Amino acid sequence: DAGVIQSPRHEVTEMGQEVTLRCKPISGHDYLFWYRQTMMRGLELLIYFNNNVPIDDSGMPEDRFSAKMPNASFSTLKIQPSEPRDSAVYFCASSLGAGMGSPLHFGNGTRLTVT
Amino acid sequence: DQQVKQNSPSLSVQEGRISILNCDYTNSMFDYFLWYKKYPAEGPTFLISISSIKDKNEDGRFTVFLNKSAKHLSLHIVPSQPGDSAVYFCAASVQGAQKLVFGQGTRLTINP
Repeated sequence: DAGVIQSPRHEVTEMGQEVTLRCKPISGHDYLFWYRQTMMRGLELLIYFNNNVPIDDSGMPEDRFSAKMPNASFSTLKIQPSEPRDSAVYFCASSLGAGMGSPLHFGNGTRLTVT
Repeated sequence: DQQVKQNSPSLSVQEGRISILNCDYTNSMFDYFLWYKKYPAEGPTFLISISSIKDKNEDGRFTVFLNKSAKHLSLHIVPSQPGDSAVYFCAASVQGAQKLVFGQGTRLTINP
């Protein structure tokens, strides 16, 4: 299996522009997560889905952030409009099932820079 | 509000010696703990986990210890190898839930 695939690997954009990050989870995994990594706060959970349905979006910073999962093999995280403080590495992860014995498998991340 | 804290941003250890990474948590509901390892430009990868019904779990060179009364866990790597140089994240959750809370990470450097 190719693992969790994220695109793009790097994104540089200007403040105010729309940014869309993409994720393809591991086939057969029923949970999908979006995390953000910053120096100050480490890895923060933004939102997660179970069977394509958003379960918990309490970590989404504000209305500028939105995430969708139209099918089991694709998810997007959109920021509109983007701001410099959104600069971070965004990780997508997937897992099979919940709890013990179901570790998260992470993609290699998208490094977002907003100037 | 950091529910999971790794107070040491970095740690340097000589090859062959023991590496000890520490993690503290504040939420007494957490009962499942994990360690992830991250290399530059890659995503974190699962390393080892422990349930609150245990106080130790071992996998090869890696051992995780859990002290529930102190709300503290640690990861021991012995002997340390150059390939262990990475950022290590501690994470916690309520068993059965998939919402992991991560610490800020500790950068481990193994010196030859």
